[in-house]
Amino acid sequence: SQQGEEDPQALSIQEGENATMNCSYKTSINNLQWYRQNSGRGLVHLILIRSNEREKHSGRLRVTLDTSKKSSSLLITASRAADTASYFCATVRAAGNKLTFGGGTRVLVKP
Amino acid sequence: NAGVMQNPRHLVRRRGQEARLRCSPMKGHSHVYWYRQLPEEGLKFMVYLQKENIIDESGMPKERFSAEFPKEGPSILRIQQVVRGDSAAYFCASSLTSGRDYNEQFFGPGTRLTVL
Repeated sequence: SQQGEEDPQALSIQEGENATMNCSYKTSINNLQWYRQNSGRGLVHLILIRSNEREKHSGRLRVTLDTSKKSSSLLITASRAADTASYFCATVRAAGNKLTFGGGTRVLVKP
Repeated sequence: NAGVMQNPRHLVRRRGQEARLRCSPMKGHSHVYWYRQLPEEGLKFMVYLQKENIIDESGMPKERFSAEFPKEGPSILRIQQVVRGDSAAYFCASSLTSGRDYNEQFFGPGTRLTVL
């Protein structure tokens, strides 16, 4: 079964608005990562947050991690049409290396 | 420093043929991972290799699929006797280290396999 599950599955917003998506997982983790995938393309690494961190920022991205609830959120502020993509969370377990991906959130930013 | 390279980018095979997908990790990276993505789904882990060793193949189908990462040359994901259900995008990723000093995995552009 999927380790990470994103919510919502799809999100449509106007340019300039904020986009928030959530990810839940089931087992203990070493870290959680967020990736972006444009249609038909490869994955771009956005941000990594370790299990002992609670919040991390990178440009217009803000990621939170709540290990007690086994959940993470990704906030994209002041969205742009170029942010239109699918966003995936992926976890790395404490004793492993492989990434376990969720099903993704498809974000559409309308100009 | 070139990124992770995969070839071919697109591969079309008829049912029963063999598919060979290649991945060259980033320079200096000795850890390679293969993932498969079905349409409208997230990526699913298949196999993790280091040079000449398979470390974790828990995501590999038991039959028809094999992977290698030889001392010299790219990593190869081989699918024998392909079926329509093998149609997917196959992504390779590489990392510098692993374990406690977990490093980011860098992804290639993927190979899109279509089985007719």
